[in-house]
Amino acid sequence: ETGVTQTPRHLVMGMTNKKSLKCEQHLGHNAMYWYKQSAKKPLELMFVYSLEERVENNSVPSRFSPECPNSSHLFLHLHTLQPEDSALYLCASSPNAGVNTEAFFGQGTRLTVV
Amino acid sequence: AQSVTQPDIHITVSEGASLELRCNYSYGATPYLFWYVQSPGQGLQLLLKYFSGDTLVQGIKGFEAEFKRSQSSFNLRKPSVHWSDAAEYFCAVFSGGYNKLIFGAGTRLAVHP
Repeated sequence: ETGVTQTPRHLVMGMTNKKSLKCEQHLGHNAMYWYKQSAKKPLELMFVYSLEERVENNSVPSRFSPECPNSSHLFLHLHTLQPEDSALYLCASSPNAGVNTEAFFGQGTRLTVV
Repeated sequence: AQSVTQPDIHITVSEGASLELRCNYSYGATPYLFWYVQSPGQGLQLLLKYFSGDTLVQGIKGFEAEFKRSQSSFNLRKPSVHWSDAAEYFCAVFSGGYNKLIFGAGTRLAVHP
């Protein structure tokens, strides 16, 4: 148990659906992240939030829309996804969005787009 | 650009044998390096990290890693592997900016009884 909780653990959605992934951290951290883990590819950083402000958008398509309403919660809104978006989506948090801090990861949401 | 290379995609060892997982990085400044482990269906757990100081760092679960600047390497070691160590291991380097971790492709470890 890392203190970072992601829901749902598994999600199957059609290409025309709209769904959201949720991440919650109980660590008092100020920074939160979304990573994408695809088969046979390194983990890719998607978004970084620091104190509820988006500070990094790593060339992610607009069909992925993050939201950080407060420092404990992070969402990833999904719409009109493609099959190649199927992956494990990992949320992470760290005390602050700077160096000398480690990231704590949730267990991930396994997304399948059909 | 910063990058991390893990040359071994799969490694199989016998229980009780020693283990070394290789990691090479490319980074212009002093690197901040991490090893994470991912069990099936789970997120990533930090094993150890190197920021500065002693180049041999100790982590959880009996793992250690040695930073060698001359070889741009940060190899992970364990003297005696347990069956529960079977997992995927990721090396990562901090690339600057907002805690931007660059991960290697991972090494999947299988342990034979």
